[in-house]
Amino acid sequence: KAGVTQTPRYLIKTRGQQVTLSCSPISGHRSVSWYQQTPGQGLQFLFEYFSETQRNKGNFPGRFSGRQFSNSRSEMNVSTLELGDSALYLCASSLTQGSNTEAFFGQGTRLTVV
Amino acid sequence: DAKTTQPNSMESNEEEPVHLPCNHSTISGTDYIHWYRQLPSQGPEYVIHGLTSNVNNRMASLAIAEDRKSSTLILHRATLRDAAVYYCILRDVGGGATNKLIFGTGTLLAVQP
Repeated sequence: KAGVTQTPRYLIKTRGQQVTLSCSPISGHRSVSWYQQTPGQGLQFLFEYFSETQRNKGNFPGRFSGRQFSNSRSEMNVSTLELGDSALYLCASSLTQGSNTEAFFGQGTRLTVV
Repeated sequence: DAKTTQPNSMESNEEEPVHLPCNHSTISGTDYIHWYRQLPSQGPEYVIHGLTSNVNNRMASLAIAEDRKSSTLILHRATLRDAAVYYCILRDVGGGATNKLIFGTGTLLAVQP
């Protein structure tokens, strides 16, 4: 069974540009969450989607947005990139929602903003 | 969200058992205890979770104190591949249907050959 696939794996963007990251969850999984990992802040929750609806959002500015499609694939977008957005962006998929559910993470997209 | 406290780092020898502690003194009755680990240059990986009883799976065992204010992740025979950051996370049933994970700083486990 294929795992969570994130594309691209690496990305270099210029300050002010925008970027779109993609996540394909495990087949059959309906929940997708996104996280940002930086050396200074660690792993921080961005947002969560279930059945194409955003169910939860972390404490990030409105420049960070996302969406989920009917096939459960998800994208996240960051507009007007800042140097501080350089991070590893991780996507996690789960079969359903709830605290008794395990999450499966992708390898992440390493974004560098120059 | 209830908070967990873990040692910043621990060291173990290969093929010896490892006990990774986690304190969660403010845990509520509906909080599940989850463990994830993150190997270098990879995304986090689910290890195990439990509510009240001790749990075993192919990767590890989870021992939960009777008062649930602490738990211990047990790796029965550490290998070099187990060197990672281990995160103890509480997930609240009462918080509604959500898969949000709140990661702390975790425990960096070093395994010596």
